[in-house]
Amino acid sequence: AQSVTQLDSHVSVSEGTPVLLRCNYSSSYSPSLFWYVQHPNKGLQLLLKYTSAATLVKGINGFEAEFKKSETSFHLTKPSAHMSDAAEYFCVVRPDNYGQNFVFGPGTRLSVLP
Amino acid sequence: EAEVAQSPRYKITEKSQAVAFWCDPISGHATLYWYRQILGQGPELLVQFQDESVVDDSQLPKDRFSAERLKGVDSTLKIQPAELGDSAMYLCASSGNRGAYKYEQYFGPGTRLTVT
Repeated sequence: AQSVTQLDSHVSVSEGTPVLLRCNYSSSYSPSLFWYVQHPNKGLQLLLKYTSAATLVKGINGFEAEFKKSETSFHLTKPSAHMSDAAEYFCVVRPDNYGQNFVFGPGTRLSVLP
Repeated sequence: EAEVAQSPRYKITEKSQAVAFWCDPISGHATLYWYRQILGQGPELLVQFQDESVVDDSQLPKDRFSAERLKGVDSTLKIQPAELGDSAMYLCASSGNRGAYKYEQYFGPGTRLTVT
């Protein structure tokens, strides 16, 4: 069975400092991996995706993530946090390249302090 | 920019009443998904359509939930009767079948349901 673990339910950083949101997955197949962001009372927006091309993936708003197969990880980073980054972040795995069913992690709430 | 539309945005209903949600996917997207997101958790897939056909409804509580996509475009999710535990955000998403954006899911703003 496929699963996604987000190691921190809540991360708090100061504005201008780096952000690290951790994600580990388990999958029987070569997965596609995604990060989505959800602002309060809004739908989910795609930040970035990994689909077996470059292992370092750049997304919108300065976020990037690195796929590490040996560690089954897909951590999300940003060099400098902005107040507008405060939101819920979901790591998502699609177990193989043929199906379309997403498995969502439980989410990490990012707080950005002034 | 094309978006997934959902209505209503908010719905308050009493226990045992019927409630319905509507979703209009991005034009040309053949695949449509309904998710339920309980507060503090990630979304869980309820039902997936490919055109007008149900591909996966294994997590849909079929005794009270129904979903349809009659013409393979917009879709309706219904709950009858609603229960207190149905209070959640109901998200609709769609994806295309071609090109670099194949299988990327685009989400609507959701419908926040409160059952009293």
